[in-house]
Amino acid sequence: GAGVSQSPRYKVAKRGQDVALRCDPISGHVSLFWYQQALGQGPEFLTYFQNEAQLDKSGLPSDRFFAERPEGSVSTLKIQRTQQEDSAVYLCASSFSGGGNIQYFGAGTRLSVL
Amino acid sequence: GQQVMQIPQYQHVQEGEDFTTYCNSSTTLSNIQWYKQRPGGHPVFLIQLVKSGEVKKQKRLTFQFGEAKKNSSLHITATQTTDVGTYFCVEASGSARQLTFGSGTQLTVLP
Repeated sequence: GAGVSQSPRYKVAKRGQDVALRCDPISGHVSLFWYQQALGQGPEFLTYFQNEAQLDKSGLPSDRFFAERPEGSVSTLKIQRTQQEDSAVYLCASSFSGGGNIQYFGAGTRLSVL
Repeated sequence: GQQVMQIPQYQHVQEGEDFTTYCNSSTTLSNIQWYKQRPGGHPVFLIQLVKSGEVKKQKRLTFQFGEAKKNSSLHITATQTTDVGTYFCVEASGSARQLTFGSGTQLTVLP
């Protein structure tokens, strides 16, 4: 596709459930980023992949958060045992390279944990 | 971590009025990017500034990077309703060049 695609667009989970959020980056983009955006706040960095390698996961808030990109293209962000504080929009972005280039964002997945 | 503060947090203007948002950092920034996020939308890249004192224009939008590379501003001339959204100043930094977003300025344009 022409842009970054994320699915699902909306996800409602009961507290304690596991969720998986998918990101399909722009074809050929080496770098992939995940961000978390709470209501009324700016996006905050979670993790970064260069191809299939996860080079930085310093922003993941807890060990319940796990991300993978096994073939260097599609990425999945998994949240185990969801908590109410996990409610946010999860944004995926990709760029041609990680050297300060423009990042292109997907529409995001809005996660609501009840 | 480093925080990039923006003022004002909210701004309401009448259509046709000018608008300016300011971004300030306590430390020197390697670069500044500006993103716009429409209500319910995702951040969209507007511009990147790298050089001290740099000024760039995009139609009605003027972007400046301070001489000391600690502040930046975005000025919109003669706002239109299509300018509505939150404007973020952003630094691409860290080992991954991940984006660190400022606090944002939410612009409302009244018709």
